Amino acid sequence: DAGVIQSPRHEVTEMGQEVTLRCKPISGHNSLFWYRQTMMRGLELLIYFNNNVPIDDSGMPEDRFSAKMPNASFSTLKIQPSEPRDSAVYFCASSLDREGADTQYFGPGTRLTVL
Amino acid sequence: GENVEQHPSTLSVQEGDSAVIKCTYSDSASNYFPWYKQELGKRPQLIIDIRSNVGEKKDQRIAVTLNKTAKHFSLHITETQPEDSAVYFCAAFSSGSARQLTFGSGTQLTVLP
Repeated sequence: DAGVIQSPRHEVTEMGQEVTLRCKPISGHNSLFWYRQTMMRGLELLIYFNNNVPIDDSGMPEDRFSAKMPNASFSTLKIQPSEPRDSAVYFCASSLDREGADTQYFGPGTRLTVL
Repeated sequence: GENVEQHPSTLSVQEGDSAVIKCTYSDSASNYFPWYKQELGKRPQLIIDIRSNVGEKKDQRIAVTLNKTAKHFSLHITETQPEDSAVYFCAAFSSGSARQLTFGSGTQLTVLP
């Protein structure tokens, strides 16, 4: 299994630009999570999907952030417009979620830098 | 919602010594407690987990204990090696209304040769 795949691995953009992060979960997993990691705030859950449906987006910082999961094998996290404070590592994770509490497998992350 | 506190934030030990990291949680509905290891520039990776129906679990040099009454759980690493140096995160999964994994703030473990 290839594991969770994220792209791009690194993204450098200028303030005000749109940024789209992509994630392919492990095949067969039915839950997908987007996290943001910074030194100041640690690992924060932004949103998670179960069977392609957004379940909890209370962690999404503001309306500039949006996430979609059009099918079981693909999800996007979009920031529009981006700001320097959005600079962080964004991780996608997936789990089998057989009983709601299962191992989450993380992707390699996308390091976002907003200038 | 769930609140997970992790201590210490940094820990230095001599190679061969043991290391202990402690976490507390607030939501009595939490029933799954994984520990992740994150090396510099890498993704968090699961090293061990425990469910609420078990008090202790061991995997070679790593063990986790859970005290549901006191709402705390701990990671124990014995015979530490330099390659154990990393940031370790505890987490708690709440089966209540939130149904999500909440992470502790992390412990930077340094094993000195």
